[in-house]
Amino acid sequence: DAGVTQSPTHLIKTRGQQVTLRCSPKSGHDTVSWYQQALGQGPQFIFQYYEEEERQRGNFPDRFSGHQFPNYSSELNVNALLLGDSALYLCASSLIMGTGGDGYTFGSGTRLTVV
Amino acid sequence: AQSVTQLGSHVSVSEGALVLLRCNYSSSVPPYLFWYVQYPNQGLQLLLKYTSAATLVKGINGFEAEFKKSETSFHLTKPSAHMSDAAEYFCAVSIRRALTFGSGTRLQVQP
Repeated sequence: DAGVTQSPTHLIKTRGQQVTLRCSPKSGHDTVSWYQQALGQGPQFIFQYYEEEERQRGNFPDRFSGHQFPNYSSELNVNALLLGDSALYLCASSLIMGTGGDGYTFGSGTRLTVV
Repeated sequence: AQSVTQLGSHVSVSEGALVLLRCNYSSSVPPYLFWYVQYPNQGLQLLLKYTSAATLVKGINGFEAEFKKSETSFHLTKPSAHMSDAAEYFCAVSIRRALTFGSGTRLQVQP
């Protein structure tokens, strides 16, 4: 049973550029959430997608946007990159019909470096 | 606002010693609480979770945590530390199916 798959694993971008990160959820899961983890900090919730719509959003600017496809996979897009966007971006999948106590399965993340 | 606080950004123990990592939460409703472990350059792995079924929760790798409502705590323990336990540990609370994490505790295990 495949877990959560994220690509690419590492990425280097220049300030002002745009980036797209990809996530395939665990088999059977229908909800994808994205988190940003800056160095030395805990992950911060960016947003959550279900049925191809953004359902919840954390305290992140509109430069951060996403998409969910019919096969439940998801993309995270960041425009006008800033140095402060350098972080590990984690994708987590879950079941929307579960309770809030159900498991969230995390991928290994994409390490984004903005130079 | 609901949140978690992890006391101690770094904890160092000797191999074979008790591991105690502290987590306090604030929540206006009965919370769902989690402990995750993160090894260098990797994602998060679920250690255990509290979902109101039992106050003492057993997880993987010999870890357990006790939910204490009166103290609003969910501390993580392991009777005997192993070198392979060295990692970053995060406590989290589930709010509307989104996780809010503490700032993490780095566990060092000395030989």
